[in-house]
Amino acid sequence: KAGVTQTPRYLIKTRGQQVTLSCSPISGHRSVSWYQQTPGQGLQFLFEYFSETQRNKGNFPGRFSGRQFSNSRSEMNVSTLELGDSALYLCASSLQDRALSPLHFGNGTRLTVT
Amino acid sequence: GQQLNQSPQSMFIQEGEDVSMNCTSSSIFNTWLWYKQEPGEGPVLLIALYKAGELTSNGRLTAQFGITRKDSFLNISASIPSDVGIYFCAGLNTDKLIFGTGTRLQVFP
Repeated sequence: KAGVTQTPRYLIKTRGQQVTLSCSPISGHRSVSWYQQTPGQGLQFLFEYFSETQRNKGNFPGRFSGRQFSNSRSEMNVSTLELGDSALYLCASSLQDRALSPLHFGNGTRLTVT
Repeated sequence: GQQLNQSPQSMFIQEGEDVSMNCTSSSIFNTWLWYKQEPGEGPVLLIALYKAGELTSNGRLTAQFGITRKDSFLNISASIPSDVGIYFCAGLNTDKLIFGTGTRLQVFP
């Protein structure tokens, strides 16, 4: 069974640009969550999607958005990039709607903003 | 953002030694999870705990769900070099998974 797949693995963008990251969950998993990981702040929850609807949202500005498609694949978008957005962005999928089953993570997209 | 308190922050041990780390919170959780992350990879689930007092093993790893539901512990016995990585605890309340600050483990042969 394939794991969670995130593309691209690496991205370099400049301030002010926007970026879209993609996540394909494990087959059969309908919940997708996104996390931002930085050395200083650790793993911070961005949002969770289930059945194309955002179920939960963390404390991030509106520049961070996401969506989920009917095949459970998810994308997250960051607009007007800032230097502080440089981080590893992790996607995780789980079986149940409220992520009550353990999350399974992808290997992340490392975003560098210059 | 919210994080759980995890200690120690880092550990440098010799191969064969046992390791203990813990995670504490001011909030009650219904589920505790332990993950390991290696460089360039996402966190991998090691153990899931669903009931207060529960003690669960996965090979050389043993984790416990604290009775108060505000803490959890992870032990690694007879460490080996491939145990190197960052270990994260995570607590789940009704709708969000909150991660600990991580324990970085280095194992020397």
